[in-house]
Amino acid sequence: QVQLVESGGDLVRPGGTLRLSCAASGFSFTSRYMAWIRQTPGRGLEWIAYISGAGTLVYYADSVKGRFTVYRDNGNNIVYLEMNGLRVDDTAVYYCARDCESCYVPAAPDLWGQGTLVTVSS
Amino acid sequence: SHDLTQPPSVSVSPGQAARIPCSGDELTKKYTYWYRQKSGQAPVMVIYEDNKRPSGIPERISASTSGTVATLIISGAQVEDEADYYCFSTVYDANQGVFGGGTKLTVL
Repeated sequence: QVQLVESGGDLVRPGGTLRLSCAASGFSFTSRYMAWIRQTPGRGLEWIAYISGAGTLVYYADSVKGRFTVYRDNGNNIVYLEMNGLRVDDTAVYYCARDCESCYVPAAPDLWGQGTLVTVSS
Repeated sequence: SHDLTQPPSVSVSPGQAARIPCSGDELTKKYTYWYRQKSGQAPVMVIYEDNKRPSGIPERISASTSGTVATLIISGAQVEDEADYYCFSTVYDANQGVFGGGTKLTVL
């Protein structure tokens, strides 16, 4: 079954750290770019990061650059999002998504997980 | 600017065509993608590479692009088409993604 399952969302204090995980199954994980996208409650979608299939190329939105790190474990088909220096405005549902296959540059997510909620509050 | 602009809402009667525009300078250089998000669910891709439909998406959903404006078209809109629709593209030469602000489609 082709699916993405996120985990790790939690309530965290401002300035804190959290790591999200996304377990992939049912497709050739190592050949795919992967993406993280977030959605603030009641608001729209915000793309935040891409990682290439080999994990050697990463791209970030300006809003998270320097605070968030995306990496992957291709042996276990998992992609991670490590979030440091969390702020109240990072509160959102975080989605993991699959992007293009064997592509030179990322294109667009074609399969999404169900999301995991991160709440940053004192 | 790398922004993609969508109207907050569009409303049509059942059976009418719904048109949702998305404008942005990036659309002249990169493909446009469209997503549908129903309440409480994850987004689903309904159009890729400007005007192609993934398998399982009905033919009454289509899209076009002209210059800096992409338009999602739902012919004969039905109540089941009510959802939020988002356009998406990537920033030329930066490999960053960008979403439009989303459009809430109401069919009533």
